[in-house]
Amino acid sequence: DTAVSQTPKYLVTQMGNDKSIKCEQNLGHDTMYWYKQDSKKFLKIMFSYNNKELIINETVPNRFSPKSPDKAHLNLHINSLELGDSAVYFCASSQEVRQAAKNIQYFGAGTRLSVL
Amino acid sequence: QKEVEQNSGPLSVPEGAIASLNCTYSDRGSQSFFWYRQYSGKSPELIMFIYSNGDKEDGRFTAQLNKASQYVSLLIRDSQPSDSATYLCAVGRKSSGDKLTFGTGTRLAVRP
Repeated sequence: DTAVSQTPKYLVTQMGNDKSIKCEQNLGHDTMYWYKQDSKKFLKIMFSYNNKELIINETVPNRFSPKSPDKAHLNLHINSLELGDSAVYFCASSQEVRQAAKNIQYFGAGTRLSVL
Repeated sequence: QKEVEQNSGPLSVPEGAIASLNCTYSDRGSQSFFWYRQYSGKSPELIMFIYSNGDKEDGRFTAQLNKASQYVSLLIRDSQPSDSATYLCAVGRKSSGDKLTFGTGTRLAVRP
């Protein structure tokens, strides 16, 4: 059973299209995240949700819109795709820990997005 | 200055040697420190985490943290070719909403 699953694994699309990536976790975690990993392998946080509430919203174009229908799901919708959006997008989840920042994040397999 | 800095490598070591991976961070308020391993084309996988100054050992892996120097390292003893991967250092702080800030990773190559 995959703990954090993302679909699709690969996404090839044309510039200007709108696409969605779905993420589900069966770990019972409270918090879910979206990260972007660029061609230089730099992994950067985009969003995080805790119990369906947006917690982190980094400087991301508003063409990117996360949606969390429940705490086990966090989807990412991208409008008007651009060449620079090509990257690997990782979903992650963690159990909230009240003290310090001791939440261990578990990653999904990633979605490789190629915008042509 | 980058928030989390790592030497990109590649760090090449012979099989059986100790590999030493280093990471520095700029935020003095950082509270948690993680090492993830990422094989090419795969997702990051947690190897070690450390919260307090000193050493923490788990099998062949030892994480070392020095908050005064803002430095965290990962030692891999008896390196194996299967350890060849990119190692990502990540730093967390509760006030920043549990987000992790990652370094760019160090590529490790273990020669048979």
